[in-house]
Amino acid sequence: DSGVTQTPKHLITATGQRVTLRCSPRSGDLSVYWYQQSLDQGLQFLIQYYNGEERAKGNILERFSAQQFPDLHSELNLSSLELGDSALYFCASSSRERGNEQFFGPGTRLTVL
Amino acid sequence: QKEVEQDPGPLSVPEGAIVSLNCTYSNSAFQYFMWYRQYSRKGPELLMYTYSSGNKEDGRFTAQVDKSSKYISLFIRDSQPSDSATYLCAMETSSYKLIFGSGTRLLVRP
Repeated sequence: DSGVTQTPKHLITATGQRVTLRCSPRSGDLSVYWYQQSLDQGLQFLIQYYNGEERAKGNILERFSAQQFPDLHSELNLSSLELGDSALYFCASSSRERGNEQFFGPGTRLTVL
Repeated sequence: QKEVEQDPGPLSVPEGAIVSLNCTYSNSAFQYFMWYRQYSRKGPELLMYTYSSGNKEDGRFTAQVDKSSKYISLFIRDSQPSDSATYLCAMETSSYKLIFGSGTRLLVRP
């Protein structure tokens, strides 16, 4: 168990809808990262937050947004969903004080029908 | 050309064999190198985290980094059926984001 939790585990929704994925980092970790893993693209970095502020952006679509709250949990919002958004979404967290390794949560499996 | 190249496998070995997994990369700005293990679409599990060129050992696992050749390896000694998984190499940029290889699927046969 990495100590990173993600909810929900599974999400099934329809095209055009909006969903919110939630992540709680390991205790004490200030950095949260979001990744998307699809069959044809592998693991792709989406966005990073550090202590509530956006720190780095990857290949994140404009339909996607994220935020990190004062209690350090993070949410990834996906809107106007398309079939191609079906994927596993992982959250990871890290701490500079503990070596900066990224530890991953169990993921949320999103299916868009 | 992808920034990180990794043979997708599958790699099938008998139990007890030494496994060698490799990645090459093109960006000399990568500073940290990692190996993750992922079981059937579960969350990736960090196995090794290295910075400098050379070897790092942890139990049955040895990570090797050759920055001059832009080549990293993971060796698994005395492989077990429970090692059957997908192994992902990852490189960390100066802005802390990870670039992953596509993963190598390993099957250890009893």
